[in-house]
Order: sequence, then C-alpha cells, then structure tokens
Amino acid sequence: EAEVAQSPRYKITEKSQAVAFWCDPISGHATLYWYRQILGQGPELLVQFQDESVVDDSQLPKDRFSAERLKGVDSTLKIQPAELGDSAMYLCASSPDPGVDTQYFGPGTRLTVL
Amino acid sequence: GENVEQHPSTLSVQEGDSAVIKCTYSDSASNYFPWYKQELGKRPQLIIDIRSNVGEKKDQRIAVTLNKTAKHFSLHITETQPEDSAVYFCAASSNNNDMRFGAGTRLTVKP
Repeated sequence: EAEVAQSPRYKITEKSQAVAFWCDPISGHATLYWYRQILGQGPELLVQFQDESVVDDSQLPKDRFSAERLKGVDSTLKIQPAELGDSAMYLCASSPDPGVDTQYFGPGTRLTVL
Repeated sequence: GENVEQHPSTLSVQEGDSAVIKCTYSDSASNYFPWYKQELGKRPQLIIDIRSNVGEKKDQRIAVTLNKTAKHFSLHITETQPEDSAVYFCAASSNNNDMRFGAGTRLTVKP
C-alpha cells in the first residue's frame, strides 16, 4: 500500500539555525498539506498545495516559514531561523484531488529546537 | 474560520465497554468530518468519516453520528479492546479545504 514519505524523521537543531523537511506524497495525489502538531494538541494546518500552487497559507508564519512544491510532486517546508517554540511534529498529508476528501498522513518529522 | 472542540480530553473504559467521543464545530459550511486514530509516535490514521448528506455511518465496531442542526458529531466504539487505546482526533472541513482538528481524546482501554 502506497504511503506518504517524510524525511528526516527526527531533527535536533539550535535556535536561529535553518531547518528543512521533505515530503513525498502518494503517487498521483494532487493535493498536499503541511501540518504542525504540538505535543498534546491536534494537527494545525500550515499550508495546502494544489499541484504546484498554494491554495491556503493563511496560518503559515511567513516571516520564518516557507514551503514549495515546484514540480507539483514532492514538497519542502523550511524554517529560518528556528525558534524554541517551533519544537513540534511536522506532518505532511496528501489527497487525490480537492473533491476527494480523505487525507493520508506521513510519519512526520519531530523537530526539537534547543 | 472553523473551530472544532472535542471532549473529553481523556477517557478510560473497561475492555468490552463502549466509548463515546464528542465534537462540535462552528462553521455551517463544513461538510466533511473525519476521525483519526494516532498511536504513540505514529502517523494519524483515518478510521471513519462522514459527509454532511448522511446522519450516521457504521464500520464494524465503529460508528459516527452527525447532527448538522446542532453542529456536533460523535464517535462510538463498541466492545472496546486494549488495542483501541490511542489518541483520537475529530476534524471538520469544507470540501477538504482548511481542515481543522479537535484537541484530541486519549482513550485507555483497561484489560
């Protein structure tokens, strides 16, 4: 069964450093989502792509976060500079198209900022 | 935007008993309501979902009910087993956009 892939699985960095996370959605899935999940809370949507275009980035802290999906397949989420409050699990999800609702999640990247 | 509230935050039941988790949402335009199960250190897994054109859906021991008028939906797990222990999240969205999640319910099933 196809799954969403993410790397790295764990990342430890010092504050003010730059970090990047990678996501490869299920093949053929046009819609890709990045979520942040703080321990003990539900996932919070950061950005949603439809193919290579951003559909919704209203909750993305754009002063330090950026996301791209240049060829409409895999995606990268970057944080620069990282802050202590960015420590969280970063989850990627994909779905076949906007009209098909099910989102499939990747294993996540757990970020610790020291 | 949408706001989803979920309760209880923790729930402990004896094996074989039923468990019920409730969520409310604020946006009347929301039309899709999935439930995810997340085991410790693992990815959220979809266990059941419901769309706004139906009031109830069942899949073996799991069922979800939706009351659009009251803007609330519930997850029902019958004949609970220890392997049902996990954190459960409800969510709501409009046409799969801007999915908002509840804060989660930690379910513990005691053998």
